[in-house]
Amino acid sequence: DAGITQSPRHKVTETGTPVTLRCHQTENHRYMYWYRQDPGHGLRLIHYSYGVKDTDKGEVSDGYSVSRSKTEDFLLTLESATSSQTSVYFCAISERAGAYNSPLHFGNGTRLTVT
Amino acid sequence: QQQVKQSPQSLIVQKGGISIINCAYENTAFDYFPWYQQFPGKGPALLIAIRPDVSEKKEGRFTISFNKSAKQFSLHIMDSQPGDSATYFCAAESSGSRLTFGEGTQLTVNP
Repeated sequence: DAGITQSPRHKVTETGTPVTLRCHQTENHRYMYWYRQDPGHGLRLIHYSYGVKDTDKGEVSDGYSVSRSKTEDFLLTLESATSSQTSVYFCAISERAGAYNSPLHFGNGTRLTVT
Repeated sequence: QQQVKQSPQSLIVQKGGISIINCAYENTAFDYFPWYQQFPGKGPALLIAIRPDVSEKKEGRFTISFNKSAKQFSLHIMDSQPGDSATYFCAAESSGSRLTFGEGTQLTVNP
């Protein structure tokens, strides 16, 4: 699975609590992405990173923050989880910008439930 | 605002039949159209992709048909097998942008 590890794989948390999801890659790829997958919406980009300490917002970034202090790790934080953030979260990596130039490889996801 | 519309939402096909999933887009700047396959408990994986300079691309039993004037593209799975049962996502990208995904189609191939 392209050397991508997401942790935890499952998490249940309460509304209002902070949550951090971790993505770890062993491929030394420059680009890393966080997506959420919801029925009827497909995959939507939350944030992405194009290098250490270089990040940018995706289409559904409200309520989420990210950090990338090392090439191999990309963290997604929900500062105060809400029920609308119940979802399956996927990390993806790519070697270069643009899926045409470099296919995205996805991790196996983290299922987050906010009660 | 979904820039890539995918249909049907779910599809049931008999073994040996043809599975067809359709996608439509509005942004004429899109110039790369991949399809991803996702099995339960796994992340999506690139299946096949096409650029708009060709109307069809075939890889084994999987074929993408592309209609630039209609702004539509579709995935055809010939001789569908139970092992093809998965969720399929179409996507689109333009230079300098990120992939935009369709809503997904859950395919079930009955034995």
